[in-house]
Amino acid sequence: DVKVTQSSRYLVKRTGEKVFLECVQDMDHENMFWYRQDPGLGLRLIYFSYDVKMKEKGDIPEGYSVSREKKERFSLILESASTNQTSMYLCASRSSTSSYNEQFFGPGTRLTVL
Amino acid sequence: LAKTTQPISMDSYEGQEVNITCSHNNIATNDYITWYQQFPSQGPRFIIQGYKTKVTNEVASLFIPADRKSSTLSLPRVSLSDTAVYYCLVVAGSYQLTFGKGTKLSVIP
Repeated sequence: DVKVTQSSRYLVKRTGEKVFLECVQDMDHENMFWYRQDPGLGLRLIYFSYDVKMKEKGDIPEGYSVSREKKERFSLILESASTNQTSMYLCASRSSTSSYNEQFFGPGTRLTVL
Repeated sequence: LAKTTQPISMDSYEGQEVNITCSHNNIATNDYITWYQQFPSQGPRFIIQGYKTKVTNEVASLFIPADRKSSTLSLPRVSLSDTAVYYCLVVAGSYQLTFGKGTKLSVIP
């Protein structure tokens, strides 16, 4: 089974802190994604990476950056956390050779910024 | 990106067939229709994908009419464990999935 793991299920940080959210997948997938999910807004794409050291902005990249130094790991960075970044963060991965546009999601990290 | 519209919520009794319809009026020729399921406190999970006519797998069926402006996800004989949010997506390219607000399905005993 494909497994996508995220470093924390719950995280509490203070305004202005630098926050790292880590995501690891074990299926050698080329593509990786970061979403945030908020009530009433559904899932929104923050950044994605189609290969190592590659990154593309999604729909809401402001206030975030990403790093993909190794194929299996995709990190989301909040340079200076703010209260409006309190959210559920979901990581996903996908094989670029799959005939289906199937993304495999991790369990999510619920981040609270105080 | 083609926008999708689906009901916000639906209720069904156990054992019934549930049909969730999604409209996507400006779907493009190369777009696929994909459905995901999400349980509380979990990430979404791929259910089914189709281009036209009918697709069936062990979980659901997907019906797509000839004009492809809508699609219907059919869940046979639902159980309490099918209570979840169901997302209809139109996949425009290789990378980006755009999730709407989904349909919250509540299965009643």
